[in-house]
Amino acid sequence: AQTVTQSQPEMSVQEAETVTLSCTYDTSESDYYLFWYKQPPSRQMILVIRQEAYKQQNATENRFSVNFQKAAKSFSLKISDSQLGDAAMYFCAYRSALGTSGSRLTFGEGTQLTVNP
Amino acid sequence: DAGITQSPRHKVTETGTPVTLRCHQTENHRYMYWYRQDPGHGLRLIHYSYGVKDTDKGEVSDGYSVSRSKTEDFLLTLESATSSQTSVYFCAISEGVKNIQYFGAGTRLSVL
Repeated sequence: AQTVTQSQPEMSVQEAETVTLSCTYDTSESDYYLFWYKQPPSRQMILVIRQEAYKQQNATENRFSVNFQKAAKSFSLKISDSQLGDAAMYFCAYRSALGTSGSRLTFGEGTQLTVNP
Repeated sequence: DAGITQSPRHKVTETGTPVTLRCHQTENHRYMYWYRQDPGHGLRLIHYSYGVKDTDKGEVSDGYSVSRSKTEDFLLTLESATSSQTSVYFCAISEGVKNIQYFGAGTRLSVL
């Protein structure tokens, strides 16, 4: 079974600075997808960014980018120019690319990000 | 917004009572999921569905059952609620060739 680990329960960053959230995963599969979701105090789960394992190029979405290291099974999220609205719980998630059951997500424990003004 | 509505949004119930949570979607997605969220565990899959009357268990399915008699509705039932089932429950759908999962707003359930 796949596992996802987020080793930083809490992180903080100053507004306008850059922060990196860590995620590692364990799998024996070669084809899969990785995601970062954001959960603000409203509790809504919001997709931040998605990475396909077969792509070597790191995904980017505006101020959000990832550092995907397939051999190391590492998938970190970098937030540039942090804004107060980025304060949230961030979850890393894994999805196998195989079959029907492969569509389920396996989540890490989450990292609570605080943005200081 | 992927057209997902969860009801109720909040519920308080007593141990031993049956509880049903409803997830309704408006966009005809084939895959639907129920997760629970607990501190220190992220979200964990309870059950999922890959079509009408087609369901399967996730990693934390004990004490839960599901039904999907229509494409748009996916019901989660706690036959006899226990305090360990106090949690926030999320419904999700899986959309498109990218199979991205989108989530409902969640239901906070307290079992006293």
